Amino acid sequence: NAGVTQTPKFQVLKTGQSMTLQCAQDMNHEYMSWYRQDPGMGLRLIHYSVGAGITDQGEVPNGYNVSRSTTEDFPLRLLSAAPSQTSVYFCASSQPGYTDTQYFGPGTRLTVL
Amino acid sequence: QQQVKQSPQSLIVQKGGISIINCAYENTAFDYFPWYQQFPGKGPALLIAIRPDVSEKKEGRFTISFNKSAKQFSLHIMDSQPGDSATYFCAARPDRDDKIIFGKGTRLHILP
Repeated sequence: NAGVTQTPKFQVLKTGQSMTLQCAQDMNHEYMSWYRQDPGMGLRLIHYSVGAGITDQGEVPNGYNVSRSTTEDFPLRLLSAAPSQTSVYFCASSQPGYTDTQYFGPGTRLTVL
Repeated sequence: QQQVKQSPQSLIVQKGGISIINCAYENTAFDYFPWYQQFPGKGPALLIAIRPDVSEKKEGRFTISFNKSAKQFSLHIMDSQPGDSATYFCAARPDRDDKIIFGKGTRLHILP
């Protein structure tokens, strides 16, 4: 199993550009989520999905879109990049149940100039 | 609002010492309390977790102590090693909810 994979690992954008961060998991997990990590702020939930076709907003959703057309994939779209979106982005997946262990991808480091 | 408060922000411990990280919560609906460990350049990974029906859980050198009445839980790392140097996140999950809420993290450095 590859677990949770994310691409790209690094990305530099100019203000106003759009892009999609890719996330895929091969564990057949129902629950997937996107977090951003900033110094001193911990992990903040952007969007999450409890299954294919179902998405919802987390704590900091503004400026981001998601979709979940398959169980495996959960891309995060930046509509018009802003310097405030400079961050490290993590995708995670889990199978809801007693333990709900979240498995994290390796992260995408995004810089918006 | 921050639902899980973690302290300290950073911690330096001598090799062989005990590292202690504390977390507090307000929401009594939380029913699952994991700790995640993150090494530089990597994603967080589950270290150990506890449910509120027990007061302590131990796995090797790592122990969670849970105080339900005080709404506090802590991570103890015994015989701390330089390889334990990482960022640690406490977290909590509400009952009948899929979302996990994270604390802000503690950067732990073990001196050789």
